[in-house]
Parts: sequence; structure tokens; C-alpha cells
Amino acid sequence: DQQVKQNSPSLSVQEGRISILNCDYTNSMFDYFLWYKKYPAEGPTFLISISSIKDKNEDGRFTVFLNKSAKHLSLHIVPSQPGDSAVYFCAARPGGSNYKLTFGKGTLLTVNP
Amino acid sequence: NAGVTQTPKFRVLKTGQSMTLLCAQDMNHEYMYWYRQDPGMGLRLIHYSVGEGTTAKGEVPDGYNVSRLKKQNFLLGLESAAPSQTSVYFCASTLGLTPQYFGPGTRLTVT
Repeated sequence: DQQVKQNSPSLSVQEGRISILNCDYTNSMFDYFLWYKKYPAEGPTFLISISSIKDKNEDGRFTVFLNKSAKHLSLHIVPSQPGDSAVYFCAARPGGSNYKLTFGKGTLLTVNP
Repeated sequence: NAGVTQTPKFRVLKTGQSMTLLCAQDMNHEYMYWYRQDPGMGLRLIHYSVGEGTTAKGEVPDGYNVSRLKKQNFLLGLESAAPSQTSVYFCASTLGLTPQYFGPGTRLTVT
């Protein structure tokens, strides 16, 4: 049972345009959501997060939106740059003391110059 | 401050051989995690630790063992490697409420 789903394996956008990456979850116990970025041959790096008490969090060109009723979150990148080309993982964790993350399968973003 | 480091970076094993992957962090993090990443599968949790001397099973623990004898180190062992364990292994750590920070990965091939 996949609790975190990224239904688009890949996304291609033009430089300067908006990239929108989507993520759906099924576990109602998740209360904290994160996006990680991964370049080939490197470890994932933390990008941005959002708590379930918020519906939006912004950090520079990156904004994450959370729709709890739909169990859906999205990552917006504006404007997209070629250096943003990477695999993006959505992750979620429930409240509790072990802070385990459940990851989606990832979306490969390609930003074309 | 090196963050999270992993040793080795690459390894090729024959079926049935054993090996240990080492993860070290210098951030005084309590929580440490081992993941594997396979094509089209995302990151799957193998084992984790909530503190020195403790370990627990994750989503895909079979064929692996772990130990956390020191707070800064988390070891992942393969007692008898199988081709199905060919993967990229990532270690991560966190203080708890902060995001997990990942190491650079170990690429393991079992022939």
C-alpha cells in the first residue's frame, strides 16, 4: 500500500516557466511534509517542508501548498532554472517520536534552456 | 562539520559474501536511518535507530542487520549478500523535529 504517491514519473518545463510537482497521500496521521531534491550520484537534499497546520510555505523560488481535505500537496518552482533539473521526492511523517519518513517514488524534473 | 558520511562509496560483492556499511554523523543527532533506493521505487526504509544502543525494523529489513554502539555511528550489515540487494544505500540522521540529512550514498552491486 503506497501511502505517498507521486503519479508523474517525469516533468519537462522551459526555463523561466513554472514547475508544479504533485504529491498525494493516504495516511491521515501524516502531519509534516517535506520535499527533497536529488541529483545523480548524490544523496537527497532537503528543500522545503510544511506542517499540517499550514496550507502554504514559501522559500525563495520554492513554494509548497498543502490541501489537507484532498490529501494533496504540490511544489511550485518559479521561475524554473536548468539547475533545478533533478529528481524530487515528496516525503511525509506522522506525529510521534521516531520521525520516520515515508517517501514517494520521485518525479524527474527537466528544465530546458 | 562533515555532516553525514558513508563508507565505502562503491562495492562489488559476490553472492554469499558479507559486508558492513558505515554511516557516521558529527551533528549529535539522536535519530539515524538506513534506506535503499531502487529504480522506480523511491527510498525505502531498511532499519532505523532512535538513540545509541537502539535499533528497529523499517519497511524492508529482511537480509540486513544494524548496530548503533556509538551515537555518531550506524552500521548496516549484510550477512549473506544476494543479487536482490544490489542497490544504492543512503544513511540519514536528524535531531527529531528537523529534516533528515542524508549521506552521499553507497552503490552496492551483488553478482
